[in-house]
Amino acid sequence: QKEVEQNSGPLSVPEGAIASLNCTYSDRVSQSFFWYRQYSGKSPELIMSIYSNGDKEDGRFTAQLNKASQYVSLLIRDSQPSDSATYLCAVNKYGGATNKLIFGTGTLLAVQP
Amino acid sequence: DTAVSQTPKYLVTQMGNDKSIKCEQNLGHDTMYWYKQDSKKFLKIMFSYNNKELIINETVPNRFSPKSPDKAHLNLHINSLELGDSAVYFCASSHGLAGGFRETQYFGPGTRLLVL
Repeated sequence: QKEVEQNSGPLSVPEGAIASLNCTYSDRVSQSFFWYRQYSGKSPELIMSIYSNGDKEDGRFTAQLNKASQYVSLLIRDSQPSDSATYLCAVNKYGGATNKLIFGTGTLLAVQP
Repeated sequence: DTAVSQTPKYLVTQMGNDKSIKCEQNLGHDTMYWYKQDSKKFLKIMFSYNNKELIINETVPNRFSPKSPDKAHLNLHINSLELGDSAVYFCASSHGLAGGFRETQYFGPGTRLLVL
């Protein structure tokens, strides 16, 4: 089992729709969860972080965390063609001084105009 | 102003050569990282330094040797390059340890390495 799993996609949604991206993780003691956006040929860019169960909203983005189910998701409302990118889920792997981020393989989102 | 910069942006070289990638951050962060992203977009940590001290060394061949002359710089030297080393290498930095509570990790633009 991979430590962080995502559907690779592509996930295709029409402009203006809600895009729903999902991620599951295996380490029950993980405390910090992140969503990065990566445009083709560019570096990952942090768009959301979440640490507590429930929803966290920032503009058109909502991150949802359910630690009991070991599940984190990202909703993008009113999707725009400029949202087309690969979305990487990242989860911390606690190791004290060796705390590190484990990334999923990403979901490619394509927003159709 | 570039927060995390890497040079070179592209690197094309022959198998068996030795090459270096340089990284600098001007964010005043204490921790720096090297990641490798393969052709399937899988981003995996290779090394992490905190205040010039190596704290994470994943199962990376010892042909890869990081060096941190000061906490703003982290370089990666690769000996005897192999075809499988072809990937995008990202440098990153954070104030404290990545994944820590409220930590944000910033990535450099990446170095695209192609070994022929």
